[in-house]
Amino acid sequence: DVKVTQSSRYLVKRTGEKVFLECVQDMDHENMFWYRQDPGLGLRLIYFSYDVKMKEKGDIPEGYSVSREKKERFSLILESASTNQTSMYLCASRETSGTSYNEQFFGPGTRLTVL
Amino acid sequence: AQTVTQSQPEMSVQEAETVTLSCTYDTSESDYYLFWYKQPPSRQMILVIRQEAYKQQNATENRFSVNFQKAAKSFSLKISDSQLGDAAMYFCAYRINYQLIWGAGTKLIIKP
Repeated sequence: DVKVTQSSRYLVKRTGEKVFLECVQDMDHENMFWYRQDPGLGLRLIYFSYDVKMKEKGDIPEGYSVSREKKERFSLILESASTNQTSMYLCASRETSGTSYNEQFFGPGTRLTVL
Repeated sequence: AQTVTQSQPEMSVQEAETVTLSCTYDTSESDYYLFWYKQPPSRQMILVIRQEAYKQQNATENRFSVNFQKAAKSFSLKISDSQLGDAAMYFCAYRINYQLIWGAGTKLIIKP
């Protein structure tokens, strides 16, 4: 089974703090994604990485950065956390070989609260 | 720009009955992929069913089936014989390149 893990289920941070959210997948998937999930808005893509050291901005990259130094790990960084970044953050991974509509596999999510 | 609309924020169904969740999308592409994902309370998002646009036959997975109307850009999900474990948020998504474009979700409540 594919497993996608995220470093924390719940996180509480102060405004202005630097926050690191870690995501690890164990299936050698090329693509990895960070989403933000807010009620009534569905999932919005923050960043994605199609391979190691490669990254692309999604729909809402402002205030975030990412790092992918190893294939299995994709980190989301909030350089200076703000209250409007309070949200659920979901990581996902996907392989690119085989059928072209391979599903994305999701982690359990990190619920971040910025005070 | 591609958009996905789920017009039902919440739906409820009696256990063992059938329910249909609606999804419409907007695209100028002719070949694409559509998905329904399920997010149970406090649990991980999982794929329910997927459809390739060039296939006319509607996808089915056990109790889950879709009604794909390409001309109308509609992709509804039918759940037959609803079970308590079907209670979840359901998201419709459209795939373009690497990305998925997501609807806002429909909360499905199962009444025992």
